[in-house]
Amino acid sequence: DADVTQTPRNRITKTGKRIMLECSQTKGHDRMYWYRQDPGLGLQLIYYSFDVKDINKGEISDGYSVSRQAQAKFSLSLESAIPNQTALYFCATSGLTDTQYFGPGTRLTVL
Amino acid sequence: TQLLEQSPQFLSIQEGENLTVYCNSSSVFSSLQWYRQEPGEGPVLLVTVVTGGEVKKLKRLTFQFGDARKDSSLHITAAQPGDTGLYLCAGDPLSNQFYFGTGTSLTVIP
Repeated sequence: DADVTQTPRNRITKTGKRIMLECSQTKGHDRMYWYRQDPGLGLQLIYYSFDVKDINKGEISDGYSVSRQAQAKFSLSLESAIPNQTALYFCATSGLTDTQYFGPGTRLTVL
Repeated sequence: TQLLEQSPQFLSIQEGENLTVYCNSSSVFSSLQWYRQEPGEGPVLLVTVVTGGEVKKLKRLTFQFGDARKDSSLHITAAQPGDTGLYLCAGDPLSNQFYFGTGTSLTVIP
């Protein structure tokens, strides 16, 4: 079984809709991250969390919110989706080292 | 402006050729990492370089961390089609926030 899972894997939604992307991990890591990747480009950090009570904004947090429900769960919400939020979204975790372990990604399309 | 700039952005070479990918910043990093991402998957760590001037080898891949800890390079010898993918450098510039580079998309043609 995968250590970091993301649901859904693919999502098509309409402008203005609220959607939630979920991430779960079985690695026992305290740190979790949400990234956005646009085609052919690197990753941009949206939000990160060092533990359940610690949430921090990344480079591109506008238009997004997160919830850390438990050590193992970190969800990303788009309150009112817009077309330029169409992208591939990755969740990642890290433990005592900086090594990040990524989920398989969620492909989001906003029409 | 990206904190970590990679060059080239795209690279297409024939099998057996050598190549070098660069990762540059104006910031100092305590360490830099290199990841490889294949289509439809998340990035996977290849190596972490920690000490200025450090050179690490992973089979045909050679990674170097600059003396000033602001840049890094990845050299691939005798590239193979299996090396095709998106190569990303990444690190934390002592800000507790992790940054990824702009990425280098490598295609190795059989």
